[in-house]
Amino acid sequence: AQSVSQHNHHVILSEAASLELGCNYSYGGTVNLFWYVQYPGQHLQLLLKYFSGDPLVKGIKGFEAEFIKSKFSFNLRKPSVQWSDTAEYFCAVNAKTSYDKVIFGPGTSLSVIP
Amino acid sequence: EPEVTQTPSHQVTQMGQEVILRCVPISNHLYFYWYRQILGQKVEFLVSFYNNEISEKSEIFDDQFSVERPDGSNFTLKIRSTKLEDSAMYFCASSSGGSYYGYTFGSGTRLTVV
Repeated sequence: AQSVSQHNHHVILSEAASLELGCNYSYGGTVNLFWYVQYPGQHLQLLLKYFSGDPLVKGIKGFEAEFIKSKFSFNLRKPSVQWSDTAEYFCAVNAKTSYDKVIFGPGTSLSVIP
Repeated sequence: EPEVTQTPSHQVTQMGQEVILRCVPISNHLYFYWYRQILGQKVEFLVSFYNNEISEKSEIFDDQFSVERPDGSNFTLKIRSTKLEDSAMYFCASSSGGSYYGYTFGSGTRLTVV
């Protein structure tokens, strides 16, 4: 069965600091990978996604993620965070053999201090 | 930007009662989903729906749950006899081409079973 783990439960950063949120998945086959964000009081929004091709994908708001197949990882990065990036971040995976089901990680809560 | 609309935003119900959660997906989307998030826990897949039938469901989605697309615009989740552990935020999502294109989520319905 697929599963997703995220390295940190809660991350606290100062504005302008660099961000890296870890994500690992367990599944032996081909996957699609996602990062979703949930701002306080709002619904889940897609940040970026990887299907195939260039393993470095760029998303909205300056976020990017790198797929490393050998490590089963899909870490999220941003060079310089802002206070408005304070949110819950969810890594998610979809096995290509189970195209209609996305499994979410437990989430990482990011707090950015001004 | 098109939105997925969910109503009500908050519903309180007594244990054992039936509830219907309503969603209006984006009009040209063909794939529909329900996820839930118990407070403090991860987002869990419930069910996916395509071409007027369930395409996948999780072990959570037992006989107490059902989904329906009654009129071509609404997509509903019914819980026949609610339990305390059904208390959660329920998210509807839709997609134009399946999970790997990413979802558009609604803002959620907070269900409280008392």
